[in-house]
Amino acid sequence: NAGVTQTPKFRVLKTGQSMTLLCAQDMNHEYMYWYRQDPGMGLRLIHYSVGEGTTAKGEVPDGYNVSRLKKQNFLLGLESAAPSQTSVYFCASRKHGDDQPQHFGDGTRLSIL
Amino acid sequence: LAKTTQPISMDSYEGQEVNITCSHNNIATNDYITWYQQFPSQGPRFIIQGYKTKVTNEVASLFIPADRKSSTLSLPRVSLSDTAVYYCLVGSTDSWGKLQFGAGTQVVVTP
Repeated sequence: NAGVTQTPKFRVLKTGQSMTLLCAQDMNHEYMYWYRQDPGMGLRLIHYSVGEGTTAKGEVPDGYNVSRLKKQNFLLGLESAAPSQTSVYFCASRKHGDDQPQHFGDGTRLSIL
Repeated sequence: LAKTTQPISMDSYEGQEVNITCSHNNIATNDYITWYQQFPSQGPRFIIQGYKTKVTNEVASLFIPADRKSSTLSLPRVSLSDTAVYYCLVGSTDSWGKLQFGAGTQVVVTP
């Protein structure tokens, strides 16, 4: 059981380049989330999805787009990368239900030069 | 989402019990209290969750007083591998499972 898998694990981009981070979960979870974590800080929610075909903005959505075309996948896109988006990105998924915990992937470390 | 406050860091020796207290004065009636653990270069890992009184599992206990304005995570007999950042979160049942992470508590266990 792989749980939550993030691809790639590391990436270096130049300012202005675009890329897509992939999150895949094999637990049939309804909810999925994208966070970013900067040094010495907790995670901040970028976007989330409560089901296939639906997405919503989190705390820090600017500069990012997401798509949830399939239930098991949640994609995070950077259309024009900026140095301020250098961070570690975590994806999480969760089963529907009030007391269900989130299950996290091991992150994507993204550096933008 | 209710804001939480917890100590920035705590030090302990192997074999001791570590208690981390988190305050959440604005917790709502339907909110659960959840604790996560995070090791370097890994995603947060769920430890324990509770609503009121005491919850215990194979790795920790969670104590919640009657007013629910605080909670205490208890790690019994810690080992070096328990060195990590611990996050206290309050989740609203109306918020689609969204969580608001603070900076967490860095626990360092030494021999």
